Amino acid sequence: EAQVTQNPRYLITVTGKKLTVTCSQNMNHEYMSWYRQDPGLGLRQIYYSMNVEVTDKGDVPEGYKVSRKEKRNFPLILESPSPNQTSLYFCASSRDRAYGYTFGSGTRLTVV
Amino acid sequence: SQQGEEDPQALSIQEGENATMNCSYKTSINNLQWYRQNSGRGLVHLILIRSNEREKHSGRLRVTLDTSKKSSSLLITASRAADTASYFCATVANNDMRFGAGTRLTVKP
Repeated sequence: EAQVTQNPRYLITVTGKKLTVTCSQNMNHEYMSWYRQDPGLGLRQIYYSMNVEVTDKGDVPEGYKVSRKEKRNFPLILESPSPNQTSLYFCASSRDRAYGYTFGSGTRLTVV
Repeated sequence: SQQGEEDPQALSIQEGENATMNCSYKTSINNLQWYRQNSGRGLVHLILIRSNEREKHSGRLRVTLDTSKKSSSLLITASRAADTASYFCATVANNDMRFGAGTRLTVKP
């Protein structure tokens, strides 16, 4: 089944403790992206990747890192999480940046 | 930042009725897409309409695009309780996709 797999689904962590949210797709998509969703603000793009080893900042990149060493994986790294990063995070992939995205099921992160 | 703005923010209808949601945007676009999100879950791509198209259908969904008014509408006919979800429009311009804040649709059985 074609899908984007995110892990974990839920995560509660403490301020400053580094964490990684994994994202993997099995569709051989070149384009991958991370979003955060907050009430009233819709989806905001954090980082995106056009292909392996090619990443770029979205609208809200501060406090986040990404890497794209393999085509299928696009992990999101929070080096020192803060409470304002409490949010619902989504990974998405597509064959092309301008076309229909396939989304993961989301990671609900709480930073206390 | 958001490009599309959905209207209304929330819509409540009875099963069997039609639901219409609107999306307005500010700049020229290459295409516009509609997505559905069930509570807390990932968005699901519904339909894509290109800037040179005026109307598209997919099952019970009908999407229109009026580039002169910079607006699009999503019509769901003969709604079902399972259609209860949030619906988002996403505009694509210069290979950049922007999502609106969504319309929350509730279909009562």
